[in-house]
Amino acid sequence: AQSVTQLDSQVPVFEEAPVELRCNYSSSVSVYLFWYVQYPNQGLQLLLKYLSGSTLVKGINGFEAEFNKSQTSFHLRKPSVHISDTAEYFCAVSQFAGGTSYGKLTFGQGTILTVHP
Amino acid sequence: DAGVTQSPTHLIKTRGQQVTLRCSPKSGHDTVSWYQQALGQGPQFIFQYYEEEERQRGNFPDRFSGHQFPNYSSELNVNALLLGDSALYLCASSLKSQVRAFSAYEQYFGPGTRLTVT
Repeated sequence: AQSVTQLDSQVPVFEEAPVELRCNYSSSVSVYLFWYVQYPNQGLQLLLKYLSGSTLVKGINGFEAEFNKSQTSFHLRKPSVHISDTAEYFCAVSQFAGGTSYGKLTFGQGTILTVHP
Repeated sequence: DAGVTQSPTHLIKTRGQQVTLRCSPKSGHDTVSWYQQALGQGPQFIFQYYEEEERQRGNFPDRFSGHQFPNYSSELNVNALLLGDSALYLCASSLKSQVRAFSAYEQYFGPGTRLTVT
């Protein structure tokens, strides 16, 4: 079984300040890691993903995340946020699986990022 | 390039009724997964369809069933609706035929169907 914990339910920040949204996961096998963003009344948009290779991954809208296997973390960062970054952010994991089933995403509870002017 | 589409956008049903939600995957994708997102929660995996068969299922009762058509589109059916079924239902598509390629693990989500059970 796998689980995801997003350590902050809400993160308020001022415009142009840096931000970090924290995510820890638990899994008995190797996982792939994702961050999604959800704007009000919309579906989920993929921000970035870690599948293999460099542990520092860059995504859209200036976001980046670092995979830390020893700490089982995948924290999301942005050096300078904008008002338009206000949204809910979800961390998700997917266990590697073979055969005919794969790709089930397990999500965290979400972190609401509010950027104030 | 058409993304994932879902219909209807909103739906209001009464307890005990049945509902069908529809999803068309992103162009070129062959796998559809369904998720339920209750208010204030992260999405929960319901099931996944590939080659017109249910391949994986989350912890949802048999009242939740689905179907995948030859054109890869999918339906989610919920019988005997309960108040607790009120949620945003999200469809996600991916490309499984390259199962060893990393792209197989990238899921693209539709805008969702907001179901309200009264």
